Amino acid sequence: EAGVTQFPSHSVIEKGQTVTLRCDPISGHDNLYWYRRVMGKEIKFLLHFVKESKQDESGMPNNRFLAERTGGTYSTLKVQPAELEDSGVYFCASSQGLAGYNEQFFGPGTRLTVL
Amino acid sequence: DAKTTQPNSMESNEEEPVHLPCNHSTISGTDYIHWYRQLPSQGPEYVIHGLTSNVNNRMASLAIAEDRKSSTLILHRATLRDAAVYYCILNLWGTSGTYKYIFGTGTRLKVLA
Repeated sequence: EAGVTQFPSHSVIEKGQTVTLRCDPISGHDNLYWYRRVMGKEIKFLLHFVKESKQDESGMPNNRFLAERTGGTYSTLKVQPAELEDSGVYFCASSQGLAGYNEQFFGPGTRLTVL
Repeated sequence: DAKTTQPNSMESNEEEPVHLPCNHSTISGTDYIHWYRQLPSQGPEYVIHGLTSNVNNRMASLAIAEDRKSSTLILHRATLRDAAVYYCILNLWGTSGTYKYIFGTGTRLKVLA
């Protein structure tokens, strides 16, 4: 069974440009999460989808970030316009259930560099 | 704010046990403790989780203090493949009505041959 996949693996853009990251969760997983790690900091939660609905978006840094999950399958995270401080690694994860004991399966991440 | 505290790095000899500590003094009664590890160029990978009692699985053991304010991940016999960054995570029950991961800064484990 395929794991969580993310595209692209790397993206280098200039400040002010737009970038869209994609995440394909494990088939059948209703829960999809986005995280990011900026340089020197810990991995931080961004938001959580249950199917196509945003359950918790408390970690989204500002309105330059837009996440969607149309149809409850794959998700996209768009950054528009990108700023230097958006550089980092963006991880996507999925899980089957919502209980506190449910494990999350992480993708390999997208490394975003904003110049 | 909830957080976990871990040593930045640790070293172990191959085939010896490793004890990775974590402090989470702000933990609440409904919060789970999860441990993940991250190998180079990969995303975090689940290792083990617990709530109150000690836990064992094929990868590791998790010892949770009686007051739950600290825990220790135990690798019984470290191998070179266990070299990774180990994250202690609180899975917090939040106002959104779901759980949310709060990552620590991680411990980089180096295994010496």
